[in-house]
Amino acid sequence: AQSVTQLDSQVPVFEEAPVELRCNYSSSVSVYLFWYVQYPNQGLQLLLKYLSGSTLVKGINGFEAEFNKSQTSFHLRKPSVHISDTAEYFCAVSQANQAGTALIFGKGTTLSVSS
Amino acid sequence: NAGVTQTPKFQVLKTGQSMTLQCAQDMNHEYMSWYRQDPGMGLRLIHYSVGAGITDQGEVPNGYNVSRSTTEDFPLRLLSAAPSQTSVYFCASSYSGAPGNEQFFGPGTRLTVL
Repeated sequence: AQSVTQLDSQVPVFEEAPVELRCNYSSSVSVYLFWYVQYPNQGLQLLLKYLSGSTLVKGINGFEAEFNKSQTSFHLRKPSVHISDTAEYFCAVSQANQAGTALIFGKGTTLSVSS
Repeated sequence: NAGVTQTPKFQVLKTGQSMTLQCAQDMNHEYMSWYRQDPGMGLRLIHYSVGAGITDQGEVPNGYNVSRSTTEDFPLRLLSAAPSQTSVYFCASSYSGAPGNEQFFGPGTRLTVL
């Protein structure tokens, strides 16, 4: 079975500062990794995903994440955040060879950007 | 395209009442699923479907029923609502059941059971 741990429940930052949201996963098999964002009172939207290949993945809105197999991590980064990045961010994992695309989500990290 | 739509947006039920949460997608996606979101718990999979006529249970299926008679629709039924089912419910769809496909989420239904 897979599990996902998001190490920070809340991350407050100032506008234009860099940010890193941490995600660790546990799995005995190959996995695919995802980051989703949820803006207030909305559904989830895919930011980026890692399936294979380059371990540095670039997503929408200037976000990127790096897959580290040895540390079983998939941390999300942005070099300079905006007020509009305030949202909840979810890391998710699915088993690479498992049909049904069942996503296992972390508990979420609330990013609060202030001026 | 409307994407994934859910109705109603809000609902208040009394314990023991039944209701159906509606979900529809217009992207001709094979795979559809229902999640519930609770504070501090992330999203947990309730039921999913890999195509019309095929459904299966997720992590937290108890108290919920689903059916998939068409590609477009995937309703979630609560037969006898309980306060523990107070939550925000999200429907999602993806092109196929193959792992790695992006899931598209609806706007959610906020359910309160008194």
